Amino acid sequence: EDKVVQSPLSLVVHEGDTVTLNCSYEVTNFRSLLWYKQEKKAPTFLFMLTSSGIEKKSGRLSSILDKKELFSILNITATQTGDSAVYLCAASSGNTGKLIFGQGTTLQVKP
Amino acid sequence: EAGVAQSPRYKIIEKRQSVAFWCNPISGHATLYWYQQILGQGPKLLIQFQNNGVVDDSQLPKDRFSAERLKGVDSTLKIQPAKLEDSAVYLCASSLDGRRAPGYGYTFGSGTRLTVV
Repeated sequence: EDKVVQSPLSLVVHEGDTVTLNCSYEVTNFRSLLWYKQEKKAPTFLFMLTSSGIEKKSGRLSSILDKKELFSILNITATQTGDSAVYLCAASSGNTGKLIFGQGTTLQVKP
Repeated sequence: EAGVAQSPRYKIIEKRQSVAFWCNPISGHATLYWYQQILGQGPKLLIQFQNNGVVDDSQLPKDRFSAERLKGVDSTLKIQPAKLEDSAVYLCASSLDGRRAPGYGYTFGSGTRLTVV
């Protein structure tokens, strides 16, 4: 059965800290790995990763995929209170574009 | 570009009643998805359409859930009769072409929060 597992499930840090969120996957016909940020409404897109070892960056956020070990990490540096959210990892499977989501990591950044 | 539109935003019903949700995807997006997100969990795919055909409905509880996308544009998801465990956020998403380019242009609507009492 396809599955995506995220860790930790929740995390509390202080502003300025650096955090690393983990995502492991076991998905048949894996195509891509996506990260989303969810703040009480629709998930918003952060990154899509298809190639192993190539880091993607957007401001203070970065992500990388390891297709050999079947995992991805999302790093957030110099965290701010606005980074508080649920971070979802999803793997696309097969040729249908179906996304299989992990449980999410709830990040709380305290001032 | 207009986003994925969903309505209603909130719905409270009693168990055994019926309810319907509506979704209008981004113009030109061939693939439409309905997800169920129970509190504290990640979204779970219920059904996926490619234009007006069903691609995947393997996790749709077909005894009570139904969905259609008759003209290949907007879609409705219905629950009849509702159970307490159906309380969740129902998210609609669309993408350009899920089959040719999985993940590309994948956009979610704001969701419908359903509470069954």
